Amino acid sequence: GAVVSQHPSWVICKSGTSVKIECRSLDFQATTMFWYRQFPKQSLMLMATSNEGSKATYEQGVEKDKFLINHASLTLSTLTVTSAHPEDSSFYICSASGGQGYQPQHFGDGTRLSIL
Amino acid sequence: AQRVTQPEKLLSVFKGAPVELKCNYSYSGSPELFWYVQYSRQRLQLLLRHISRESIKGFTADLNKGETSFHLKKPFAQEEDSAMYYCALSRGNTPLVFGKGTRLSVIA
Repeated sequence: GAVVSQHPSWVICKSGTSVKIECRSLDFQATTMFWYRQFPKQSLMLMATSNEGSKATYEQGVEKDKFLINHASLTLSTLTVTSAHPEDSSFYICSASGGQGYQPQHFGDGTRLSIL
Repeated sequence: AQRVTQPEKLLSVFKGAPVELKCNYSYSGSPELFWYVQYSRQRLQLLLRHISRESIKGFTADLNKGETSFHLKKPFAQEEDSAMYYCALSRGNTPLVFGKGTRLSVIA
């Protein structure tokens, strides 16, 4: 089955640090990747959609300069949280889909980001 | 606007009892509806989608366009069904819109 690997699974860092999260599709080509954010006991909120080779489409209210998304290949997308602050602490989840017509989204395990 | 509503945050049932997790949606068109499940410490995974009209792990869900609902049902709950369930909608390859989720707790 389609597998999406997300790395790291947990990161703790100081305020002001930039953190990069990787999302890889291991056995399929992901033409589209999605990044979600999940606060404790709340649902997944879509942050942005990225298509391979083009700029990401951000949802309203998501800062493009804060959350940099790169989707340079069909198997890798990265989310960089720049100059992270405690309020950026959250659970970040990526998903990927690929191919023609309807393709289901496959989710990574998520990354827990804790900013001190 | 697309919206998915799951009115129950928590649903507790006894083992062997029927389960119904409610989901209502609003969408101007013909959406695709999904149920995702997240077991403890595991990733989110697709449980079923309305197009498939299939039964997975004993769960079924019927799309009711008149009531704009896509409730998830199972006749006899099992302890291993305890998890977080999310209803979601999409259209083609557009991003999924998730409901807030319902935590199902099956009591032995």
